[in-house]
Amino acid sequence: GAVVSQHPSRVICKSGTSVKIECRSLDFQATTMFWYRQFPKKSLMLMATSNEGSKATYEQGVEKDKFLINHASLTLSTLTVTSAHPEDSSFYICSARRNTYNEQFFGPGTRLTVL
Amino acid sequence: DQQVKQNSPSLSVQEGRISILNCDYTNSMFDYFLWYKKYPAEGPTFLISISSIKDKNEDGRFTVFLNKSAKHLSLHIVPSQPGDSAVYFCAAFPIQGAQKLVFGQGTRLTINP
Repeated sequence: GAVVSQHPSRVICKSGTSVKIECRSLDFQATTMFWYRQFPKKSLMLMATSNEGSKATYEQGVEKDKFLINHASLTLSTLTVTSAHPEDSSFYICSARRNTYNEQFFGPGTRLTVL
Repeated sequence: DQQVKQNSPSLSVQEGRISILNCDYTNSMFDYFLWYKKYPAEGPTFLISISSIKDKNEDGRFTVFLNKSAKHLSLHIVPSQPGDSAVYFCAAFPIQGAQKLVFGQGTRLTINP
C-alpha cells in the first residue's frame, strides 16, 4: 500500500523559533500534497495544497508567510512554521495524492508544542 | 459553511452489533466520497470509498451507502469489534477540478465489550 511518512513526529520549541516538518511519500510519486491542521475535538482543516515545482495554494485565513510550504520533489513536501507562537501548537498532518487514484494517503502527523 | 456534516459527535455500540455512522453533504458537485478512521495522535487511515455512480460499496465488514438525492452517506460496520473504536471522518471532493478533500467533523465510535 501507499505509505506517507512525516518527520518529526513530535517537536517542542520555544516561542519565536521556526520549525520544519517533512512529509514524504515513500513508495509512490505525489505531484500534489496537502497540509492539514487538527484542532482539539475539531475536524481536519486544510491549510494548503502543495504542487511539485510550483507555489503552494493556501486556504483562506492561512498566512502564507507564516506557514511556508516547499514541494521540492515528487516525494517530498516541507512545512515550515516560522516564528512559532503558542497558538500554533497543534497536530499537523500531511497527505499525498497518488496520481492514478482518487484516494489521499495520510502521514502519521506531527505534534507541535510551542512553549 | 460546513459542506460535509457529521451530526453525531459520538456513538457507542456493543461489540458484535452493527455500527452506523452518518454523513450529510451540501455541495452537489461532490462526486467522490471517502471514509477515514483516525486514532489519537495518528494520521487518518483510508477505509473505504464510493463514487457517485454507485449507491453501495462493500469491503469486508465495511459497507458505504450513498443516497445522492438526499445527499447522505453512511458507513456500516458489522460486526463491530473493539479495535473499531476510533474517530471516523467522512470526506468528499469533486472528481473534476481541485482535488481538495472536504472533511466532516468526525464521529467518535466506541465499541463496548
